[in-house]
Amino acid sequence: NAGVTQTPKFRVLKTGQSMTLLCAQDMNHEYMYWYRQDPGMGLRLIHYSVGEGTTAKGEVPDGYNVSRLKKQNFLLGLESAAPSQTSVYFCASKGTEETQYFGPGTRLLVL
Amino acid sequence: AQSVTQPDIHITVSEGASLELRCNYSYGATPYLFWYVQSPGQGLQLLLKYFSGDTLVQGIKGFEAEFKRSQSSFNLRKPSVHWSDAAEYFCAVGAEGRRALTFGSGTRLQVQP
Repeated sequence: NAGVTQTPKFRVLKTGQSMTLLCAQDMNHEYMYWYRQDPGMGLRLIHYSVGEGTTAKGEVPDGYNVSRLKKQNFLLGLESAAPSQTSVYFCASKGTEETQYFGPGTRLLVL
Repeated sequence: AQSVTQPDIHITVSEGASLELRCNYSYGATPYLFWYVQSPGQGLQLLLKYFSGDTLVQGIKGFEAEFKRSQSSFNLRKPSVHWSDAAEYFCAVGAEGRRALTFGSGTRLQVQP
């Protein structure tokens, strides 16, 4: 049982490049989330999904897009990366009692 | 809107000493409360949670937390800290039917030998 996995683990982009972060969960959870973590700011919600084919904006959605074509996968896209998007990105899925389970994170550096 | 405050950004304790990390929340209804731990370069691991019932909850790694409604607090405690407890600790609040958790900004714990 892998839980929540994320790929890639680390990526360096140049300003203006695009990329997609992949999150996969094998717990059959309906809800999935993308957060970013920056020093001293905790985790901030970017986008979330309440089920296959649905997505919604979180606290800091600008510059990001998401898709949930399959229940087990939640993709986060950066169309034109900016240095302000340098961060650690975490995916999570939600089980019972509002409990979220997190992936190991993707560290992104935008030059 | 719900919010979570962790007043201590950084705490240093000696190995074997007791530990208390503070968490205060703001939320109108009965909250779900969580503590997560993040070791360097790792994801977040659930330590414990309060859902309902007994206000003193036990978690993994010898941690416990007490929900005090009158003080809007959910402080994390451990009677004797081990060097492996050095990490960052996050308090979070959620509620039935809400779409996401709200996290505090974290407390970094350093353990001195």
